[in-house]
This record gives sequence, structure tokens and C-alpha cells, in this order.
Amino acid sequence: DQQVKQNSPSLSVQEGRISILNCDYTNSMFDYFLWYKKYPAEGPTFLISISSIKDKNEDGRFTVFLNKSAKHLSLHIVPSQPGDSAVYFCAAAIIQGAQKLVFGQGTRLTINP
Amino acid sequence: DGGITQSPKYLFRKEGQNVTLSCEQNLNHDAMYWYRQDPGQGLRLIYYSQIVNDFQKGDIAEGYSVSREKKESFPLTVTSAQKNPTAFYLCASSEQGLTDTQYFGPGTRLTVL
Repeated sequence: DQQVKQNSPSLSVQEGRISILNCDYTNSMFDYFLWYKKYPAEGPTFLISISSIKDKNEDGRFTVFLNKSAKHLSLHIVPSQPGDSAVYFCAAAIIQGAQKLVFGQGTRLTINP
Repeated sequence: DGGITQSPKYLFRKEGQNVTLSCEQNLNHDAMYWYRQDPGQGLRLIYYSQIVNDFQKGDIAEGYSVSREKKESFPLTVTSAQKNPTAFYLCASSEQGLTDTQYFGPGTRLTVL
């Protein structure tokens, strides 16, 4: 049972345009969400997070939006740069009580010059 | 400089042999984790440890064993009981809990022949 889904295995965007990566979850108990970025032959690195009490969190070119009613979050990158080409994983967490962290399958983003 | 090291980067073993993957961190983090990544799937948690001499099973612990004798080290043994051991293994650490920002090592690709 895939509790966190990234339905697009890959995404191709032109440099300078907006990249939108999507993530859906099924467990309404998740109350904290994270995005990690992974380059080939490296481990993932933390990118940005959002608590369920917010619907938006922004950090430079990266913005994460959370729609709790739809159980959907998205990562916006604008403007997209060639160095953004990587695999992006979303993760959902339960931070109270019995903690849990579940990762999505990842989306490979390619930024074309 | 601080970080997480995993060795070796590539590892080959014959079927039926146990193999131990190394993970060391010098970030002074209390918590350490082992994940497995397979094509088209997210990171799946194998085992985690929040304190020395204590560890818990993750979602896919069968066929694996761990130890946490030192804060800096969290080796993972892939036993012959693991039915599909060929995968990319990632080690991570965080300050305290599962939902803290995790810092990942570069990974070890294990191939069982």
C-alpha cells in the first residue's frame, strides 16, 4: 500500500520556466511533509519542508504548497536552472506519538537549456 | 568535515553469503537509519536506531540485522534470508528522531550474483 505517491516518474522543463512536482498521500495522520533532492551517485539532501498547519512555505526559488483537503502537495521551482536536474522525493511524516516517515517513489526532473 | 560515509560504493556477493554494509557518521547525531531503494520505488526503511544499543525494525526488516554499539556507527548485515538483496542501500542520520531532517550517505549498491 503506497501511502505516498509521486505519479510522474519523470518531468522535463525548459530552463527559466516553472517546474511543478506533485505528490499525493492517503494517510490523514501525516502532519509534516518534506522534499529531498538526489543527484546520481549521491545520497538525498533535504530541500524544504512544510507543517500541516501551513499551506505554503517558500525558500528562495523553491515553494511547497499543501492542500490538506485533497491530500496533495506540490513543489514549485522558479525559475528552473540546469542544476535543478535531479530526482526529487517527497516524504510524509507523523511527528506526534508513534513517529512514521514514508517516502514517495521519486520524480526525475530534467531541465533543458 | 562532518558527514556520513558508507563503504564500499559497490559490493558484489554470491547468493547465500551474508554481507555487512558500513555506515559511519561524525555529525554527533543520536539517530541513524538504513533505507533500501529499488527502481520505481521510494526509500523504504529497513531499521533505525535512536540511541546507542537500541534499534527498531522499519517496514522491511526481514532478512536484515543491525547493531549500534557506538554512536558513530550503524552497520547493516544483509543475511542469506533476504530474498531479493540486490538493491541500493542508503544510510542516514538525524539529530534525534525519525522526522528530523535526515542527512544521507552516498549509498552502497549491492549486487548478489
